[in-house]
Amino acid sequence: DTAVSQTPKYLVTQMGNDKSIKCEQNLGHDTMYWYKQDSKKFLKIMFSYNNKELIINETVPNRFSPKSPDKAHLNLHINSLELGDSAVYFCASSHVAGELFFGEGSRLTVL
Amino acid sequence: AQRVTQPEKLLSVFKGAPVELKCNYSYSGSPELFWYVQYSRQRLQLLLRHISRESIKGFTADLNKGETSFHLKKPFAQEEDSAMYYCALRNNFGNEKLTFGTGTRLTIIP
Repeated sequence: DTAVSQTPKYLVTQMGNDKSIKCEQNLGHDTMYWYKQDSKKFLKIMFSYNNKELIINETVPNRFSPKSPDKAHLNLHINSLELGDSAVYFCASSHVAGELFFGEGSRLTVL
Repeated sequence: AQRVTQPEKLLSVFKGAPVELKCNYSYSGSPELFWYVQYSRQRLQLLLRHISRESIKGFTADLNKGETSFHLKKPFAQEEDSAMYYCALRNNFGNEKLTFGTGTRLTIIP
């Protein structure tokens, strides 16, 4: 009965590869997010979707492409991975103006 | 632009001593403020929000608009309070953007 689940939890890959992280929520929320947590634990919003529509895009390189096939899913695809993309990526969801519920995070390591 | 500042990256407090985690914000409108907490090996979760005006796990936080602060306080620290704490701000434009501070790692010394 996990509320927000992300896969994979760990991802190790070479520079230049393309990878995806999947996120699913079973809370019936309308809004989903991707956050990036860097090595200094700084949490920064990347994207937000409401009812499958992109509402926030925080100047993220266009190598990052979110996709929301339905309200319960928000996947993150990353092209041409760079060393600086190494981070923990958190998915979250909420009702409008509600509390954010976070996934456990996906640790991406680019070699 | 909205910004959240947590001046202390690390804070160590003895068990039983008072705790204060500082948070200042800059935002031109009327914000909504939150504290989120991440315990070891657990996911990030909401601790409290200013509109609730409630005490959670002994923690309280008062929004001071004059000082643009939302400091988190607890009178007597417990070992289980050791965690990473994030202050966060949401604007009132309805686009759901939640901006986090840089976080403070709180360690309670037994």
